[in-house]
Amino acid sequence: EIVMTQSPATLSVSPGERATLSCRASQSVGSNLAWYQQKPGQAPRLLIYGASTRATGIPARFSGSGSGTEFTLTISSLQSEDFAVYYCQQYNNWPPVTFGPGTKVDIK
Amino acid sequence: EVQLVESGGGLVQPGGSLRLSCAASGLTVSSNYMSWVRQAPGKGLEWVSVIYSGGSTYYADSVKGRFTISRDNSKNTLYLQMNSLRDEDTAVYYCARKIAAPDCWGQGTLVTVSS
Repeated sequence: EIVMTQSPATLSVSPGERATLSCRASQSVGSNLAWYQQKPGQAPRLLIYGASTRATGIPARFSGSGSGTEFTLTISSLQSEDFAVYYCQQYNNWPPVTFGPGTKVDIK
Repeated sequence: EVQLVESGGGLVQPGGSLRLSCAASGLTVSSNYMSWVRQAPGKGLEWVSVIYSGGSTYYADSVKGRFTISRDNSKNTLYLQMNSLRDEDTAVYYCARKIAAPDCWGQGTLVTVSS
């Protein structure tokens, strides 16, 4: 099973600043990597799939990059609605698919 | 509009059983890969099970032999039969369309296993 790690566990950012979140896979997953946003009491929301393709309706301030084992989610200018927990998911050679432990983005 | 609505959660004793339902609208369950994903309180996401459009089913090792995924095409509904429940099965259970990068999720239903 592929193990996903995310860093940092918590990221404190001021509104309007840039946020950079990292995700690492224990072995190569190619570009089979997705990012989700989850707010308290809500279901996860797909942001990025294929490592870099924004899902329908996702603002352009969200971007994804990377391949193989190292991936990055960048939020170019944080808005108030972006404070949430972000998860990465690998879907290479599934099942199973596995998720990272999450990065919480909170207000600095 | 695509919508998934879970139901069937609740409090159950260890060793007990529960069946979760996921009613779909705006999509055809039998034409999609449909998954269950769970989230223990304050924890991250864990994939539980998938049923392919062709009917093949797969499970996480943690639930294999205890949980069964199925669907009723006439009701356009996905199910998760959970037997021999353990404390560690306590979680919010989400149904989702697809297994690779699920793009549509239900609101979740809480299952609490406790004596």
